[in-house]
Amino acid sequence: DQQVKQNSPSLSVQEGRISILNCDYTNSMFDYFLWYKKYPAEGPTFLISISSIKDKNEDGRFTVFLNKSAKHLSLHIVPSQPGDSAVYFCAASEGTGGFKTIFGAGTRLFVKA
Amino acid sequence: DVKVTQSSRYLVKRTGEKVFLECVQDMDHENMFWYRQDPGLGLRLIYFSYDVKMKEKGDIPEGYSVSREKKERFSLILESASTNQTSMYLCASSLAGYGYTFGSGTRLTVV
Repeated sequence: DQQVKQNSPSLSVQEGRISILNCDYTNSMFDYFLWYKKYPAEGPTFLISISSIKDKNEDGRFTVFLNKSAKHLSLHIVPSQPGDSAVYFCAASEGTGGFKTIFGAGTRLFVKA
Repeated sequence: DVKVTQSSRYLVKRTGEKVFLECVQDMDHENMFWYRQDPGLGLRLIYFSYDVKMKEKGDIPEGYSVSREKKERFSLILESASTNQTSMYLCASSLAGYGYTFGSGTRLTVV
């Protein structure tokens, strides 16, 4: 039973356009959500996060939106660049400390030049 | 920058061997984690530790154990390696529990 689901294994976008990566979760106790980016042969790196008390968080070209009623979050990348091509993992945790963070299966983003 | 170093990038071991995966972090983080990454399954938590000599089971601890004798080092032990433990293993550390810093991973193949 996957508590964090990324239903799109891959996404292809033209350079300069918007990339939208989606994530759904089932556990209403999750109160902190994160996105990680992973290049081949490297570990995931933290990208952006959002607390459940917010519905939007922005950092440069990256924006995360949270819809608690729908248990859905999305990562928007605008404008997309070829260097953004990577696997993106959605993650969620509950309570303090962030232990037992649950990760989604990942979405591979291809940004075409 | 925080650095998490995993001792091996690639390992090939035989079924039944005892395997040690080592992880060291250099930023005095209390929390350390071991995940495995498999296609279609994402990252699954094996064990974590929030202090020296403290450990907690994650979602898939069977067949694994861990050791944390020093704050900077967290070892994952496969007591008797099996082919279904062939995977990418990722170590991570964090200060407040959020925003993990991951190592580069160890790709383990059990034959």
